[in-house]
Amino acid sequence: DSGVTQTPKHLITATGQRVTLRCSPRSGDLSVYWYQQSLDQGLQFLIQYYNGEERAKGNILERFSAQQFPDLHSELNLSSLELGDSALYFCASSVGRLAGEEQYFGPGTRLTVT
Amino acid sequence: GESVGLHLPTLSVQEGDNSIINCAYSNSASDYFIWYKQESGKGPQFIIDIRSNMDKRQGQRVTVLLNKTVKHLSLQIAATQPGDSAVYFCAEISLRNYGGSQGNLIFGKGTKLSVKP
Repeated sequence: DSGVTQTPKHLITATGQRVTLRCSPRSGDLSVYWYQQSLDQGLQFLIQYYNGEERAKGNILERFSAQQFPDLHSELNLSSLELGDSALYFCASSVGRLAGEEQYFGPGTRLTVT
Repeated sequence: GESVGLHLPTLSVQEGDNSIINCAYSNSASDYFIWYKQESGKGPQFIIDIRSNMDKRQGQRVTVLLNKTVKHLSLQIAATQPGDSAVYFCAEISLRNYGGSQGNLIFGKGTKLSVKP
């Protein structure tokens, strides 16, 4: 158990809908990272927040947004969902803000868009 | 949980043998590399890392080798055990460019390691 929790475990929704994925980092970790793992693209970095502020941005679509709250939990919002958004979404956390720090991954949320 | 089910290259080894998993990275500016292990139904787990000023680093039963000339990374697992069965990913990053368009953690496609008892 990495100490990172993600909810829900599974999510099934229809095209055009909006969903919110939630992540709680390990106790004491200030950075939260979001990743998408799909069949054709593998594991892709989406975005990082550090202590409430956006720190780095990867291949995140404009339809997707994230935020980190004062209690350090984070939410990833996915809107206008398309079939291609079906994937595993992982959250990871680390102590500081540097990319080279060890990241601890949560168990993921499986999103299925029908 | 569920696995991703990627169509991945597979390495099948006998329990007790050594395993070598290879990775070709893409960015010559990358200066930090990490190997992750992902078991079925779980998130990736850090195994070992190496900086570009090194060519070898050893951990417990694992060794990472870096060849910057040909942009190649390998993970060696000694005395492979059934618990080592998983998908292994290499990841690269340019620490100097982190936060910009070129500075994100980039993962390889992964290799599935299957250990036969």
